[in-house]
Amino acid sequence: KAGVTQTPRYLIKTRGQQVTLSCSPISGHRSVSWYQQTPGQGLQFLFEYFSETQRNKGNFPGRFSGRQFSNSRSEMNVSTLELGDSALYLCASSLDVAPEKLFFGSGTQLSVL
Amino acid sequence: DAKTTQPNSMESNEEEPVHLPCNHSTISGTDYIHWYRQLPSQGPEYVIHGLTSNVNNRMASLAIAEDRKSSTLILHRATLRDAAVYYCIPIFGNEKLTFGTGTRLTIIP
Repeated sequence: KAGVTQTPRYLIKTRGQQVTLSCSPISGHRSVSWYQQTPGQGLQFLFEYFSETQRNKGNFPGRFSGRQFSNSRSEMNVSTLELGDSALYLCASSLDVAPEKLFFGSGTQLSVL
Repeated sequence: DAKTTQPNSMESNEEEPVHLPCNHSTISGTDYIHWYRQLPSQGPEYVIHGLTSNVNNRMASLAIAEDRKSSTLILHRATLRDAAVYYCIPIFGNEKLTFGTGTRLTIIP
């Protein structure tokens, strides 16, 4: 069974641009969650989707948004990029909502110049 | 949300047991205790989870205190591949998962 796939693996953008990251969950998994990881702040929860509905959102500005499609694939979008948005963005999928175990992708490394 | 306290770092010799502690004194009665680890340049991976009793799987054992205010992840024979950041996370449901800063485990050959 294929694992969680995140694309692209690396991305370089400039301030003010917007970016869309993609996550394909493990087949059959209905929950997808997103995290931001930086050296200073560690792993921080962005949002969680289940059956196309956002169930939870972390403490991030409205520039960060996401969605989930009917096939459970998910995208997250960051608009008006700032230098501080440079981070590893991780996606995780699970069969159902917490406390089901999470399966993480390898992440998308975003650099904002 | 329950808060956790873990040591920032630990060291262990290769092929010896490792006990990684986690304090979660504000845990609720319905929170499961999950452990994940993150190897360098990878996303976190699930290690083990439990509710009240001790749990074992092929990767590790989880010892949960009787009052559930703390738990210990036990790696029975550490290898170099076990060098990672280990996260202890109380999870119930419908909540924002908080990973904290974890414990960076260094294995000495």
